[in-house]
Amino acid sequence: EVQLVESGGGLVQPGRSLKLSCVASGFTFNNYWMTWIRQAPGKGLEWVASITNTGGSTYYPDSVKGRFTISRDNAKSTLYLQMNSLRSEDTATYYCTREELTHYFDYWGQGVMVTVSS
Amino acid sequence: NIVLTQSPASLAVILGQKATISCTASESVNKFGINLMHWYQQKPGQLPKILIYNEFSRAPGIPARFSGDEAELNFTLTIEPVEADDVATYYCQQGLTFPYTFGAGTKLELK
Repeated sequence: EVQLVESGGGLVQPGRSLKLSCVASGFTFNNYWMTWIRQAPGKGLEWVASITNTGGSTYYPDSVKGRFTISRDNAKSTLYLQMNSLRSEDTATYYCTREELTHYFDYWGQGVMVTVSS
Repeated sequence: NIVLTQSPASLAVILGQKATISCTASESVNKFGINLMHWYQQKPGQLPKILIYNEFSRAPGIPARFSGDEAELNFTLTIEPVEADDVATYYCQQGLTFPYTFGAGTKLELK
């Protein structure tokens, strides 16, 4: 059974940093691209970052480029999201997802809440 | 960026009737003959779930009541017949180019 378990969320002040983790199990982690997607309270879905299966390439939207870094440790089947210079608009539930070949997201973690507030 | 315009924003349907949700893309999402348009369902308080991928392919375990179609750049998700369990918000998403983009969502309720 595929499982994605996120951790590392919480309350953080604007301008500070936070690192999310996602431990994967039930599939061959290093065969898949992985993606973070977020959802602000009461809002829709927003793509945050993707990483290739080897970790050799990463992709970001302009809204987080230069502030967020996605990475992975295939030996530990773990995905990370380092978030720096956090802003109030980064407040959201962050989901770890597995990305399929045609770029849809077939498995989602339960999500971790990140609140950016002073 | 590819903009996905979903309509309507909300939809009230009688049990057993048909629900049709539209997602119009600002440009083609076709790659090698496959439309990289995907649909998700998010029930209240739950995480999103993939329903339809590559325009019309149902994800494992998704009943045949859910179907996807396309005409020009207008993609549709049809639910027929609607059941009580289908109350949710539905999102389209394109996987052709970065940034991946989602529609704003359509909230389905029962009339």
